[in-house]
Amino acid sequence: DADVTQTPRNRITKTGKRIMLECSQTKGHDRMYWYRQDPGLGLRLIYYSFDVKDINKGEISDGYSVSRQAQAKFSLSLESAIPNQTALYFCATSDRPWVAGGHNEQFFGPGTRLTVL
Amino acid sequence: ILNVEQSPQSLHVQEGDSTNFTCSFPSSNFYALHWYRWETAKSPEALFVMTLNGDEKKKGRISATLNTKEGYSYLYIKGSQPEDSATYLCARYPNTGNQFYFGTGTSLTVIP
Repeated sequence: DADVTQTPRNRITKTGKRIMLECSQTKGHDRMYWYRQDPGLGLRLIYYSFDVKDINKGEISDGYSVSRQAQAKFSLSLESAIPNQTALYFCATSDRPWVAGGHNEQFFGPGTRLTVL
Repeated sequence: ILNVEQSPQSLHVQEGDSTNFTCSFPSSNFYALHWYRWETAKSPEALFVMTLNGDEKKKGRISATLNTKEGYSYLYIKGSQPEDSATYLCARYPNTGNQFYFGTGTSLTVIP
């Protein structure tokens, strides 16, 4: 079974609809992230969370919100979807940098392809 | 350099050729540089995490070097194979702040 799962894998929706993308992980990591990928652009960070009570905005948080329901679950919501939010969305996890000599190596989910019409 | 830049954007090589590509990043406020391999229809997977100037990492036929003073890292693939075809991403993690900055990737196609 995959360590980081995302649902749904594909979604087509209409402008103005509220959409939730879900991410679950079994790696036991404290840190979770949401990124979006657009053609010609690098992965850009939307939100990140370092534990259940911690939520932080990333580079491009406008139009998005998140919820960290448990250590293993991190949801991304588009309150009112718009066409320029059409993208590939990735959830990722990482361990704390000082654990086992790690440096925030990111473990990515399979991605959710979202299309907003 | 304000952002993470990767070159070339895409690359086609023949099977057996060796190749390399570049990741450039701001040299100030540096903590770590990551390389990821992203195969089509899969998710990115970490290849290397590099932190020290002069670091050199190797995994099979793939290796990477790091120069934090001048702000660049090279990824080398020796004797490219079709299974090496993927997009290679680099990401900088600065000393302050808590987020990665990804480059746009180098897309490698190895022609059998």
